[in-house]
Amino acid sequence: DIQMTQSPSTLSASVGDGVTITCRASQSISTWVAWYQQKPGKAPKLLISKASSLQSGVPSRFSGSGSGTEFTLTISSLQPDDVATYYCQYYNTYPFTFGPGTKVDI
Amino acid sequence: QVQLVQSGAEVREPGASVKVSCKASGYTFITYDINWVRQASGQGLEWVGRVNPNSGDTNHAQKFRGRVTLTRDTSITTAYLELSSLTSEDSAVYYCARGRNYFDPWGQGTLVTVSS
Repeated sequence: DIQMTQSPSTLSASVGDGVTITCRASQSISTWVAWYQQKPGKAPKLLISKASSLQSGVPSRFSGSGSGTEFTLTISSLQPDDVATYYCQYYNTYPFTFGPGTKVDI
Repeated sequence: QVQLVQSGAEVREPGASVKVSCKASGYTFITYDINWVRQASGQGLEWVGRVNPNSGDTNHAQKFRGRVTLTRDTSITTAYLELSSLTSEDSAVYYCARGRNYFDPWGQGTLVTVSS
């Protein structure tokens, strides 16, 4: 199975700061990565698919990059509404796997 | 709009089974897989398995082998997750989510509590 790790596990930044979350795969997975945002008590929301494809309606301050084993989610200018936990996900072959999450606060 | 609506919270005793439903609307049900993901309190996301609503084919994570049954009823555009031989470690919010690979959208979640 593909294992996904994330760093940092928690992150605290100020409004307007740029923040970066890193996700690493246990083996090369091309660009088969999605990123989700989960706010407390809510279902996850898809932000990015195929490592860098921003979903419709997601603010442009979010971006994704990477391929192979290392991927990043960047928020260019952190906003109060971005307080959430962020998860990366591997998809392509079963079993799909998630990273452990990165909690972002202000 | 595309929507997944799940059944309500459940409480079961250890050793029992639970069946959670996921009603899809706003799209052609048979064209997208339904996945199931669970989240224990304060923990991360764990993929449970998926069902192809068109063929009925399923896949699931190894740890659930022999305990999980994923089905669908195309006449009412509803997918089901049944989990048997429940233990306290199965207490979690169970989400359904649409997609063959990445998941969008997600249902609102169903809390399953296993307690004697």
